[in-house]
Amino acid sequence: NAGVMQNPRHLVRRRGQEARLRCSPMKGHSHVYWYRQLPEEGLKFMVYLQKENIIDESGMPKERFSAEFPKEGPSILRIQQVVRGDSAAYFCASSPGMGPEAFFGQGTRLTVV
Amino acid sequence: QKEVEQNSGPLSVPEGAIASLNCTYSDRGSQSFFWYRQYSGKSPELIMSIYSNGDKEDGRFTAQLNKASQYVSLLIRDSQPSDSATYLCAVIRGGSNYKLTFGKGTLLTVNP
Repeated sequence: NAGVMQNPRHLVRRRGQEARLRCSPMKGHSHVYWYRQLPEEGLKFMVYLQKENIIDESGMPKERFSAEFPKEGPSILRIQQVVRGDSAAYFCASSPGMGPEAFFGQGTRLTVV
Repeated sequence: QKEVEQNSGPLSVPEGAIASLNCTYSDRGSQSFFWYRQYSGKSPELIMSIYSNGDKEDGRFTAQLNKASQYVSLLIRDSQPSDSATYLCAVIRGGSNYKLTFGKGTLLTVNP
């Protein structure tokens, strides 16, 4: 009974590289949410996806960030040309439907050097 | 005014005492309220949800909601060292039924 799985757990990228973060939701969950936790800050909503659809990306930075949740495979959060300010913990959550109670994965801690 | 405010702590209580964690929110249209526990370097874990005014009890945890005062709290009875963690208050604001707005969290330390 696996929970929300994220990989990698830790990711180090040099400035200007691309970062790809993966999230496999809990079994039976078709709704995925990405949150970012900057140092000394609370978790901030980034994007909400269902299979093959972006429902709400109001929290995504306008440039360099994109997300997808294909029909097959995990959800991907992609950050192009990373900068030091992208260093944060990125958490994925999933739920069985559009509802308030979501379960979080262990997170990916991105460090940009 | 911040959307969800919590005292950052640290809040230190002795083992066996009651720990009281508080949270205020700015959006009067908010309908859903949650408490998450986050151990250092780990994922947030949902421990309580509350949707209507009053108290909701689950084991050693009691969530309290007062919408008129825009205030939600979490009481932990018989605190244990294993309760030492950061407690995150989260709110779903009016107009959404999925987007969580989090406070920065309160660090709780339970001393043996």
